[in-house]
Amino acid sequence: QQQVKQSPQSLIVQKGGIPIINCAYENTAFDYFPWYQQFPGKGPALLIAIRPDVSEKKEGRFTISFNKSAKQFSLHIMDSQPGDSATYFCAAHDRGYSGGSNYKLTFGKGTLLTVNP
Amino acid sequence: DTGVSQDPRHKITKRGQNVTFRCDPISEHNRLYWYRQTLGQGPEFLTYFQNEAQLEKSRLLSDRFSAERPKGSFSTLEIQRTEQGDSAMYLCASSLGTRTNQPQHFGDGTRLSIL
Repeated sequence: QQQVKQSPQSLIVQKGGIPIINCAYENTAFDYFPWYQQFPGKGPALLIAIRPDVSEKKEGRFTISFNKSAKQFSLHIMDSQPGDSATYFCAAHDRGYSGGSNYKLTFGKGTLLTVNP
Repeated sequence: DTGVSQDPRHKITKRGQNVTFRCDPISEHNRLYWYRQTLGQGPEFLTYFQNEAQLEKSRLLSDRFSAERPKGSFSTLEIQRTEQGDSAMYLCASSLGTRTNQPQHFGDGTRLSIL
C-alpha cells in the first residue's frame, strides 16, 4: 500500500528551468509534509517542510504548494542549477497510535532530477 | 553542531552472519528512528525510540532484527542470520520531541551488502 505517491520518477531540465515534483496522499492522519534531497551515497537532507494549514511556503529557491482538499502537494525549484541534480523525496508524518506528532515518516518513491548546464 | 553519525558506512558480510550497526543521534535529540532504503526506493520506517523506550516496530522488522537504545543516547541495530534480501542502506534519523512537529535529521547510513 503506497500511501504517498510521487511523480514523475525522473525529470530532466535545463539550467534556470523550474522543475516541479508532485505528491499525493490518502491518509488524513498525515499532519506534516517535508521534502528531502538525497545525493548518491548520502542520507536524505531536509529541504523544506509544510503543515496542512498553509497553502504555500518558500525557502530560498524552493517552494512547496499544498492543496489540502485535493490531498496534493508539490515542490518547485526556481532557477535550477546543475548542483541541484539529486533525488528528491516527499514525505509525510503519520501520528501513529502513539498519539504524538513527529512520529514516523512515510516517503514517496523519489524523483531523480537532472539539471543540464 | 554535529549531525547524526552512523558506523560503519559500509558492511560486506556472508549470508548467515550477524551484523550490528551503530547510530549516534544529534546530542539533544530524544527521538531516534531507523529506516531501510533499497535501490530506487524511498526510505521505509523500521522502528522508533523515544529516549530508551522502543515505541513502535514495523512489520518489516522480522524476528531476526533487534534494536536497542540502552541509555537513551546511541542506538544499535542488529541483524541475525543475514539473508540476501537484507542488502540495503540502513538509515538512522533523530529529532527533538516536542508538542509541535520537529524535523527528522538523517545520517549518511550504513550500506549492507550480503554475499
